[in-house]
Amino acid sequence: DGGITQSPKYLFRKEGQNVTLSCEQNLNHDAMYWYRQDPGQGLRLIYYSQIVNDFQKGDIAEGYSVSREKKESFPLTVTSAQKNPTAFYLCASSISLGGYTFGSGTRLTVV
Amino acid sequence: GENVEQHPSTLSVQEGDSAVIKCTYSDSASNYFPWYKQELGKGPQLIIDIRSNVGEKKDQRIAVTLNKTAKHFSLHITETQPEDSAVYFCAARSNTGNQFYFGTGTSLTVIP
Repeated sequence: DGGITQSPKYLFRKEGQNVTLSCEQNLNHDAMYWYRQDPGQGLRLIYYSQIVNDFQKGDIAEGYSVSREKKESFPLTVTSAQKNPTAFYLCASSISLGGYTFGSGTRLTVV
Repeated sequence: GENVEQHPSTLSVQEGDSAVIKCTYSDSASNYFPWYKQELGKGPQLIIDIRSNVGEKKDQRIAVTLNKTAKHFSLHITETQPEDSAVYFCAARSNTGNQFYFGTGTSLTVIP
C-alpha cells in the first residue's frame, strides 16, 4: 500500500543535542513538507520541498534543517539552536495542486 | 500572506445532532480548501475538499460550502456519531499553489 511513514513515533532529545526525524513516502509525490503542531495552535510550516535537491524555508525554519536527496525521503534535523523543540512533528506529501497526505507524526520531547 | 481563521475552537454536540465549523480566509486568490480530521496521536486525514469553482460538495454525512465573495467556507456534519469526535482543521492553498495555510483547529466532541 502507498503511504507516508514517519519514524520514530516518540523521540527524546537532551539539551544541546541534534536529532533527526525520518519521513519516507512511496506515493511518488513530488512535494514534501514538515509541520510543527503545538497544543491549541494550527499547523506551522517548517520547510518544504517541491523537487529533489531543492527546498524552501517555511514560517518557522530557525533551528531546523532538511535535505532532499531522494524523491522518497525528506528528513528533518532539529538542531541545538531550536530552543523550544518539544512538539508534535508532521510530515506530508502531495502531488501538484493536490491535497496533503500526512504521516502519523513524531512526538519530540526534550529531557 | 494568507490568514485562515477557524471557529469555534471547541464544539460539543449530542449524538445525532449536526455540527458546523466555520473558516474565513484572507487571500482572494486561494482556490482550494480541504478539511482534515485528526484523531488523538495521529496525523490529519483528508475528509473532504472543495475548489473555488464549486459552491457546495457533499459526501454522505459530510458537506462543505464555500462563499467566495465573503471568503468563508464551512464544514457540516449531520447525524453525528461518537466516532466523529476529533480535531478538525480547515486549510486554504496559497495563490502560488506551494503550500497550505491551516486554521487553528476545532475539537469536536460528540456526546453519546
